[in-house]
Amino acid sequence: AQSVTQLDSQVPVFEEAPVELRCNYSSSVSVYLFWYVQYPNQGLQLLLKYLSGSTLVKGINGFEAEFNKSQTSFHLRKPSVHISDTAEYFCAVTYTGTASKLTFGTGTRLQVTL
Amino acid sequence: ETGVTQSPTHLIKTRGQQVTLRCSSQSGHNTVSWYQQALGQGPQFIFQYYREEENGRGNFPPRFSGLQFPNYSSELNVNALELDDSALYLCASSLELGTGETQYFGPGTRLLVL
Repeated sequence: AQSVTQLDSQVPVFEEAPVELRCNYSSSVSVYLFWYVQYPNQGLQLLLKYLSGSTLVKGINGFEAEFNKSQTSFHLRKPSVHISDTAEYFCAVTYTGTASKLTFGTGTRLQVTL
Repeated sequence: ETGVTQSPTHLIKTRGQQVTLRCSSQSGHNTVSWYQQALGQGPQFIFQYYREEENGRGNFPPRFSGLQFPNYSSELNVNALELDDSALYLCASSLELGTGETQYFGPGTRLLVL
């Protein structure tokens, strides 16, 4: 069965510090990976996605993620966070032949403080 | 370009009732997907419609049904509401049906079943 694991339910970090949010997925021949952000009382906004090509993907708001096929991981990173990055972050995957159904992890709450 | 909109924003129903949630996709987007997000969880795929035909369904009972209309609007209907149906319901539209297509999410409808 397809699954996504976000081991960290909460990540507290000080402003201007670096952060990494971890994501692992169940292996498949062909996979597409996404990171979405959800601000309070809002829908999900796409940060970045990996379809193919370079394993380092750059997204909006200074975020980037690295696809690692051998470790089935797609960790999200930002070198310096801002208070406004406080939100819920979801990793998601789609597999070929699944009607572009997104399978989401349970989310990581990033809490940025001064 | 307008984004994805959903109505109503909040809704309270009692167990056994029926509810209809509405979504307006971005203009030109032929695919709409619906997700259920329980409190503290990631979104779960309910079903997807492409050009007014159902194109994939998640592990939800038949009392969850949908419609997609030619004017890029869609509906999610839930019959015989149960307490566990309380959740945030998100719709997402995408241009086409490809697995790597970006899905654009609406702000959601929060349903409370008493």
